[in-house]
Amino acid sequence: AQSVSQHNHHVILSEAASLELGCNYSYGGTVNLFWYVQYPGQHLQLLLKYFSGDPLVKGIKGFEAEFIKSKFSFNLRKPSVQWSDTAEYFCAVPTMDSSYKLIFGSGTRLLVRP
Amino acid sequence: DTGVSQDPRHKITKRGQNVTFRCDPISEHNRLYWYRQTLGQGPEFLTYFQNEAQLEKSRLLSDRFSAERPKGSFSTLEIQRTEQGDSAMYLCASSLETALYGYTFGSGTRLTVV
Repeated sequence: AQSVSQHNHHVILSEAASLELGCNYSYGGTVNLFWYVQYPGQHLQLLLKYFSGDPLVKGIKGFEAEFIKSKFSFNLRKPSVQWSDTAEYFCAVPTMDSSYKLIFGSGTRLLVRP
Repeated sequence: DTGVSQDPRHKITKRGQNVTFRCDPISEHNRLYWYRQTLGQGPEFLTYFQNEAQLEKSRLLSDRFSAERPKGSFSTLEIQRTEQGDSAMYLCASSLETALYGYTFGSGTRLTVV
């Protein structure tokens, strides 16, 4: 069965620091990958997605992620974080059956200090 | 508002009571998913509908849980004889059939069973 691992459960950064959140997935076949963000009190929002093609994916709010097939990784990055990036971040992979349901990682809670 | 709406936002109930949650998806989305999220975890799949047909149910969905989508539009999730372990955030998401472009999530219903 597919699974997703996020190893950083809590990350604390100062503003302007660089961010990299780890995500590893288990499935070895064709894979789609998503990063979602959940700001305090808000719903899950799509940050970016990878389907195929360029392994470096750019998303909203200056986020990007790199798909590295050999490492089964899809790490999220941002060169300079802002206080408003404080949120919980989830990596997710859809099952490649007809349901296309999402399998989520356990999330990383990011706190950016001003 | 053209997003996914969930009602109520919060529900506190006594153990043993029945509760029902409602989800109104984006109107042109024919797929509707229910997820459950507990503290410190990513959302976990419960069930999904394509139009009015319930196509898959997770083993997490015990026989006390039932979901419907009677006219292929809004959906309800009912929990009978609630238990403290049912306390969680219940998320609804909708998508087009291909779901390749990701889901749109609602803000969730937070259930507390006391």
